[in-house]
Amino acid sequence: SQTIHQWPATLVQPVGSPLSLECTVEGTSNPNLYWYRQAAGRGLQLLFYSVGIGQISSEVPQNLSASRPQDRQFILSSKKLLLSDSGFYLCAWSVRGFVYTFGSGTRLTVV
Amino acid sequence: TQLLEQSPQFLSIQEGENLTVYCNSSSVFSSLQWYRQEPGEGPVLLVTVVTGGEVKKLKRLTFQFGDARKDSSLHITAAQPGDTGLYLCAGDDAGGTSYGKLTFGQGTILTVHP
Repeated sequence: SQTIHQWPATLVQPVGSPLSLECTVEGTSNPNLYWYRQAAGRGLQLLFYSVGIGQISSEVPQNLSASRPQDRQFILSSKKLLLSDSGFYLCAWSVRGFVYTFGSGTRLTVV
Repeated sequence: TQLLEQSPQFLSIQEGENLTVYCNSSSVFSSLQWYRQEPGEGPVLLVTVVTGGEVKKLKRLTFQFGDARKDSSLHITAAQPGDTGLYLCAGDDAGGTSYGKLTFGQGTILTVHP
């Protein structure tokens, strides 16, 4: 069966520190991978998506970057965090953009 | 840019009542999905509708996709406290690609009181 792992679940980081959030998918090959950010109790905003290894598309200009070093691994990074980077980050995968599964999310608080 | 307007933003009702959540857009979507999310968890897919005019039922939940594929609704019959959560609609871009980029509505926070 297909599963998606996202970690850590919570993270508190000081302003200016680096960030690395990791997401891995099991049980599928060549998935589309996504990073979303969610404000408290609201909808999700697409940050990045990837249709293959090394292929990253950014949806909004920001202080974050994404990488896909392996087929089923998606990483969200920042060199220097800002207060405005706080939020709930969700990784997701889909096959041909149709069936969609989300990870359990990472609550990031920048202090 | 595609936008989805979801309403109402908040809904507080008593157990046993019926409710409807709406999702509207001026854009056409190739498919529309509904999710339910618990606090601190990722959204869980409830249903995907792909055909204009399509109606899908999931126990007490009824989902409808508009004929023009620009709007959708979620109707819950005889709501229960276990239905409490954040409900999200999301549209898949109609560009004919397989990228699966979703545009989300703002969400509806539903609270069902016993």
